[in-house]
Amino acid sequence: AQTVTQSQPEMSVQEAETVTLSCTYDTSENNYYLFWYKQPPSRQMILVIRQEAYKQQNATENRFSVNFQKAAKSFSLKISDSQLGDTAMYFCAFMNFNKFYFGSGTKLNVKP
Amino acid sequence: KAGVTQTPRYLIKTRGQQVTLSCSPISGHRSVSWYQQTPGQGLQFLFEYFSETQRNKGNFPGRFSGRQFSNSRSEMNVSTLELGDSALYLCASSLEGTGNTGELFFGEGSRLTVL
Repeated sequence: AQTVTQSQPEMSVQEAETVTLSCTYDTSENNYYLFWYKQPPSRQMILVIRQEAYKQQNATENRFSVNFQKAAKSFSLKISDSQLGDTAMYFCAFMNFNKFYFGSGTKLNVKP
Repeated sequence: KAGVTQTPRYLIKTRGQQVTLSCSPISGHRSVSWYQQTPGQGLQFLFEYFSETQRNKGNFPGRFSGRQFSNSRSEMNVSTLELGDSALYLCASSLEGTGNTGELFFGEGSRLTVL
């Protein structure tokens, strides 16, 4: 069975600084997708970044980038130049055969 | 293009009652999945429907059921409610076939409180 673990329930960062959210997963599959989703307070969940397991190059979306270590089954999210609008719950997710598995989330608080 | 719409947004029920939640996916999306979100547990997968057929199912008791209609709208039902069913229920739709990036598009959720 696939599992996703986020070991940091809550984190804080000062505005304009960089923060890294950790995620590990367990699977015996070779082909899959990994995602980071963001859920702002009282707002709907949106996709932050996506990584295909067969791609070695780490995905990047503006201030968001990932460090994908397939052998270690690690998929961390780095947020550069943190902004107040980045305050949210962040969920790491694994997808294989149209089935998603989510971690328990990391609550990120960006302080002014 | 309208997003994923879930109704009702908030509801309060008592133990033993049943509840039906509705989800309208983004136009053209044929896959609809449901998740239960509780503090500390994250999102737990309930089930996924594609073209009116349940394609995947999570580890929830039979009190949780769902269905999908020909227009891709989906409903989930929880019978004999328990206090532990209090949660935010999220619906997500996705595009299949060409252009599928695996991305889920979420609704705002239905917050169920069981008293």
